[in-house]
Amino acid sequence: ILNVEQSPQSLHVQEGDSTNFTCSFPSSNFYALHWYRWETAKSPEALFVMTLNGDEKKKGRISATLNTKEGYSYLYIKGSQPEDSATYLCAFIKYGGSQGNLIFGKGTKLSVKP
Amino acid sequence: EPEVTQTPSHQVTQMGQEVILRCVPISNHLYFYWYRQILGQKVEFLVSFYNNEISEKSEIFDDQFSVERPDGSNFTLKIRSTKLEDSAMYFCASRDQRGADTGELFFGEGSRLTVL
Repeated sequence: ILNVEQSPQSLHVQEGDSTNFTCSFPSSNFYALHWYRWETAKSPEALFVMTLNGDEKKKGRISATLNTKEGYSYLYIKGSQPEDSATYLCAFIKYGGSQGNLIFGKGTKLSVKP
Repeated sequence: EPEVTQTPSHQVTQMGQEVILRCVPISNHLYFYWYRQILGQKVEFLVSFYNNEISEKSEIFDDQFSVERPDGSNFTLKIRSTKLEDSAMYFCASRDQRGADTGELFFGEGSRLTVL
């Protein structure tokens, strides 16, 4: 059974704090890893798609790293803002599956207090 | 900005009734998906659809489920005879034909199905 785990489940930080969360996934049969940002009552929105071991991607204050050999990815948010409050989902695609068959973690729910 | 739209946003139905959830994917996308999330659980893959046929389906997607692209724009999920355990948020998603490193999915806002 392919399992994707995210930690922590939830996180409360103050505005301006930097934070990071972890996504663990099977290290064998890796094809791609997706990160999505999901605000309440909205649709999940793609942040990053990562495929290469050692990959680092950045979008504004948010960045992500990927280690396919050990099966983890970190998402970093620098200087958190209240608008960063959302659930952050990671999703794994196994080699040989369809590119849209994402295996999701449960997500990390981030709350940023002003 | 183009987006995936889903209707209805919420449907309440009696057990045993048929339900059709509708989606309008982004117009130039070629790959279509349905996912669901039961409250408190992970988002789960149901089915992928390409070139007018199912390309992959999960164990959840049994004979009670079907998908259709009846015209050039709509993509529907039908549940023939709903069960209590079908209560969930159902998400439609689409993707264009780019490769693995750019192939993010575009999700709709979801249709919440409540089976009584």
